[in-house]
Amino acid sequence: DVKVTQSSRYLVKRTGEKVFLECVQDMDHENMFWYRQDPGLGLRLIYFSYDVKMKEKGDIPEGYSVSREKKERFSLILESASTNQTSMYLCASSLRALGGEQYFGPGTRLTVT
Amino acid sequence: KQEVTQIPAALSVPEGENLVLNCSFTDSAIYNLQWFRQDPGKGLTSLLLIQSSQREQTSGRLNASLDKSSGRSTLYIAASQPGDSATYLCAVPSFNNNDMRFGAGTRLTVKP
Repeated sequence: DVKVTQSSRYLVKRTGEKVFLECVQDMDHENMFWYRQDPGLGLRLIYFSYDVKMKEKGDIPEGYSVSREKKERFSLILESASTNQTSMYLCASSLRALGGEQYFGPGTRLTVT
Repeated sequence: KQEVTQIPAALSVPEGENLVLNCSFTDSAIYNLQWFRQDPGKGLTSLLLIQSSQREQTSGRLNASLDKSSGRSTLYIAASQPGDSATYLCAVPSFNNNDMRFGAGTRLTVKP
């Protein structure tokens, strides 16, 4: 079974802090994704990566950056956390670039105070 | 731009009832369609993936159908149980097929 893990289930940070969210998958998937999920807005794509050191902006990249130094690990970085980044963050991975089945991690509930 | 709609937004049924959840999408040129389940505060669990060449896919009490030409998919749940209570989301690849577009989900409650 594919396993996608995220570094924290719950995280509380202060405004202005630099925040790192880590995601690791164990199935040698090429593609990895970061989404945020908010009530009434559904899942929105922040960034995705289709290979090591490669990244593409999603729908809402502002205020975020990503890093993919190794194939199994995809990090989401909030350079200076703000209260409007309080959200559920979901990481996913897929094998194929063309509409591959996506597997999700358990999510990180981030609260910025 | 691909848009995905799910109706109804919420559904409450008594235990044992069969039910259908609906998903529609605007761009029929999809590669596949995926149904997920999400429990409160948790990540998404993949239920079924239907390839564009398939018309339906089954897993246990779940059956998903796909009609590309009309831009619709349904998820049929037979003999519902309280443990089926969750939010169900459908998703299709976006135009570049590198990411998925999600519906807002249907929140299902199965009452004992």
